[in-house]
Amino acid sequence: AQKITQTQPGMFVQEKEAVTLDCTYDTSDPSYGLFWYKQPSSGEMIFLIYQGSYDQQNATEGRYSLNFQKARKSANLVISASQLGDSAMYFCALRFYGGATNKLIFGTGTLLAVQP
Amino acid sequence: DTAVSQTPKYLVTQMGNDKSIKCEQNLGHDTMYWYKQDSKKFLKIMFSYNNKELIINETVPNRFSPKSPDKAHLNLHINSLELGDSAVYFCASSQGGLGSPLHFGNGTRLTVT
Repeated sequence: AQKITQTQPGMFVQEKEAVTLDCTYDTSDPSYGLFWYKQPSSGEMIFLIYQGSYDQQNATEGRYSLNFQKARKSANLVISASQLGDSAMYFCALRFYGGATNKLIFGTGTLLAVQP
Repeated sequence: DTAVSQTPKYLVTQMGNDKSIKCEQNLGHDTMYWYKQDSKKFLKIMFSYNNKELIINETVPNRFSPKSPDKAHLNLHINSLELGDSAVYFCASSQGGLGSPLHFGNGTRLTVT
């Protein structure tokens, strides 16, 4: 069965430093997508970055990059030059084909606190 | 322009009541979803509709009934509310492909007393 795991319930980082949020997944399907979302304290879900299982290069979006290691089934999010506004809950998610359609399942999240 | 909007933002009600949450998207997406986020922030898919057709129905009590009058709207009706239904309910939409991100509404915080 497909599964997504975030082992860090909480993380601290100093402002302007880089931080890596861990995500591992389990699927036997060759085709899948990996997503990261940010949920600030205001509650909305914000899409950050996507990595496809066949993508050769690691995805990058501004200060966000995805360290995709397919053989290890990991898709860690790297945030460079952390800002106070990065303090939020971060969710890793796996999209895969389940039956007639595809599903997006979420990890349990990592709460990131950026300290001044 | 709000891409995915859901109403109401907050819903406080008593056990046993029936309530509805409405969702609309103006992104032209074919697929819409309901997710439930519990008190530990875990997000779980409940339902998914593609072009008004129900395509995902996770193990959700049948007190929950989604309805999609057209592909831009997906509503959630909950009968006989229970304390355990208290959560944040998110509506989302996407195109169907594996690489398409879900766009979420701002959530409806349901509190059952």
